[in-house]
Amino acid sequence: GNSVTQMEGPVTLSEEAFLTINCTYTATGYPSLFWYVQYPGEGLQLLLKATKADDKGSNKGFEATYRKETTSFHLEKGSVQVSDSAVYFCALSDKTGNQFYFGTGTSLTVIP
Amino acid sequence: ETGVTQSPTHLIKTRGQQVTLRCSSQSGHNTVSWYQQALGQGPQFIFQYYREEENGRGNFPPRFSGLQFPNYSSELNVNALELDDSALYLCASSPDRIRKNTEAFFGQGTRLTVV
Repeated sequence: GNSVTQMEGPVTLSEEAFLTINCTYTATGYPSLFWYVQYPGEGLQLLLKATKADDKGSNKGFEATYRKETTSFHLEKGSVQVSDSAVYFCALSDKTGNQFYFGTGTSLTVIP
Repeated sequence: ETGVTQSPTHLIKTRGQQVTLRCSSQSGHNTVSWYQQALGQGPQFIFQYYREEENGRGNFPPRFSGLQFPNYSSELNVNALELDDSALYLCASSPDRIRKNTEAFFGQGTRLTVV
């Protein structure tokens, strides 16, 4: 079956620090992979996606590379800002299903 | 702005009551999915509606039901509310059924508290 595992949070970083949030997946076939972000009191917003192996998704300074050999899709940002404080969800979808499978989320707090 | 709107934003219900949550999908989208997000957890798939018909269901009991209307807006109904139904309910709108390359746009959610 399909599933997503994310690193446990919460994560607290100082402004301008480097961010990595780990995500690994289990899937039947070749899924698409997503990172969604949830700001306090809001719904989910798509941050970036990758649809095939070795693709790199990027947006707002965040990047993630689809690694088929390690079944991973780790989120990275070189220099975080206070405004990046949010909960980040890794997710997958595949051609056979009708849903997204989400990880449990990783809470990030960036302090000035 | 995603264009997906949910109502109400918050509500409080008593155990055993029934509740209806509403979602207006983004213009041009014919598919609506519903997710339950318990506190501190990732969203869990409840069901998806495609062109007014249910198109897949997650591991939720029958007291969770839904509708999709001709304008593709949708309702989620929950009967016989239980305390564990307290959660954020998210509606996701997409231009087609969720497949490998389909993007979905989420509303801000309805926070349901069952007391």
